[in-house]
Amino acid sequence: KQEVTQIPAALSVPEGENLVLNCSFTDSAIYNLQWFRQDPGKGLTSLLLIQSSQREQTSGRLNASLDKSSGRSTLYIAASQPGDSATYLCAATQGGSEKLVFGKGTKLTVNP
Amino acid sequence: KAGVTQTPRYLIKTRGQQVTLSCSPISGHRSVSWYQQTPGQGLQFLFEYFSETQRNKGNFPGRFSGRQFSNSRSEMNVSTLELGDSALYLCASSGLGYNEQFFGPGTRLTVL
Repeated sequence: KQEVTQIPAALSVPEGENLVLNCSFTDSAIYNLQWFRQDPGKGLTSLLLIQSSQREQTSGRLNASLDKSSGRSTLYIAASQPGDSATYLCAATQGGSEKLVFGKGTKLTVNP
Repeated sequence: KAGVTQTPRYLIKTRGQQVTLSCSPISGHRSVSWYQQTPGQGLQFLFEYFSETQRNKGNFPGRFSGRQFSNSRSEMNVSTLELGDSALYLCASSGLGYNEQFFGPGTRLTVL
């Protein structure tokens, strides 16, 4: 049974700092690893999708990496801004299903 | 291209009642999944539908049911509501090939 863990649960940084969010999973037989952002009371916004054959994906100031052998993914945010404040969730899928197994998320606060 | 839409956005019900939530996927997407989000349990998978067939089901009681129509729109129903069913219900859609999933804004259900 796949389990996804995100540490830390909360993170507070000053504006402009580069930061890394961590995600670990127990079953390395994943199909996709997807990172989402959730603002309070809102739905999830997809940030990046990494397929199992890929090692990283980039979009703007965001870079996500995937290391299946160690069961880890990281989301790197460069030059953080107050608008980046949100909860960041990672989720894994396995072959034959769209079912996403989510971590509990990291609540990020970027202070001006 | 319109995103995933969910109706209604907010619902207040009393214990014992039943409720139906609706989800319209992104045009062309045939896969729809449902999730329940609560502060204590996080995001938990309910069901997954593809071409009107339930392909996967999470660990929820039989009071939770769903269906998908020929136009890919999906509904979920919760009968005999309990206080613990209060949650944000999210649906997600994706295209072919187990790719990136896109979420709707959610339906906030409050059971009194």
